[in-house]
Amino acid sequence: DAGITQSPRHKVTETGTPVTLRCHQTENHRYMYWYRQDPGHGLRLIHYSYGVKDTDKGEVSDGYSVSRSKTEDFLLTLESATSSQTSVYFCAISEPGLAEETQYFGPGTRLLVL
Amino acid sequence: AQSVTQLGSHVSVSEGALVLLRCNYSSSVPPYLFWYVQYPNQGLQLLLKYTSAATLVKGINGFEAEFKKSETSFHLTKPSAHMSDAAEYFCAVSAMNYGGSQGNLIFGKGTKLSVKP
Repeated sequence: DAGITQSPRHKVTETGTPVTLRCHQTENHRYMYWYRQDPGHGLRLIHYSYGVKDTDKGEVSDGYSVSRSKTEDFLLTLESATSSQTSVYFCAISEPGLAEETQYFGPGTRLLVL
Repeated sequence: AQSVTQLGSHVSVSEGALVLLRCNYSSSVPPYLFWYVQYPNQGLQLLLKYTSAATLVKGINGFEAEFKKSETSFHLTKPSAHMSDAAEYFCAVSAMNYGGSQGNLIFGKGTKLSVKP
């Protein structure tokens, strides 16, 4: 299995509070991604990174920000959590970012916003 | 722009029966296609991928998929279902274009496979 961990694995928070999710990899892969999974929607890309300090928006980036100060860590921040951000969040990695390269997924973080 | 459609959000088969999960894609350029499996409360695991080397792709756990350009399909099959195959399956296409790609994947909405004893 690819060395990807996500923390926390479960979180309950209240509307309006900031939340930060962490993805940590030990594979030294250059590309990292954040997806959210919701019933009936599959997985949708929030943000991705193609190197340290290099990030870009995905399909559903509103209300989210990311940072990558080290190759191994990719942080996802919900600036002011809303109930619509209740979801399961997955981090993925790939190398070297070519289209045919496989993305490897972490175990996910379940977030409940009350 | 690329897109993926999975026909059937739920599929139920009997143990030992053929498994057929359907995936159709839309792409203006030659696509790269993937099937992932997700077991309950776990992340996604790659089953197989098509990268233009061969139209019939064999994956793990006895699954295979055939790329049919004329039908824009990449259906997943397994000759004989096992109870352990019960999971959710996702088809995905790489968001590729001739100008390059970040390697982003566009996922279908998923198909939950149930296997009856």
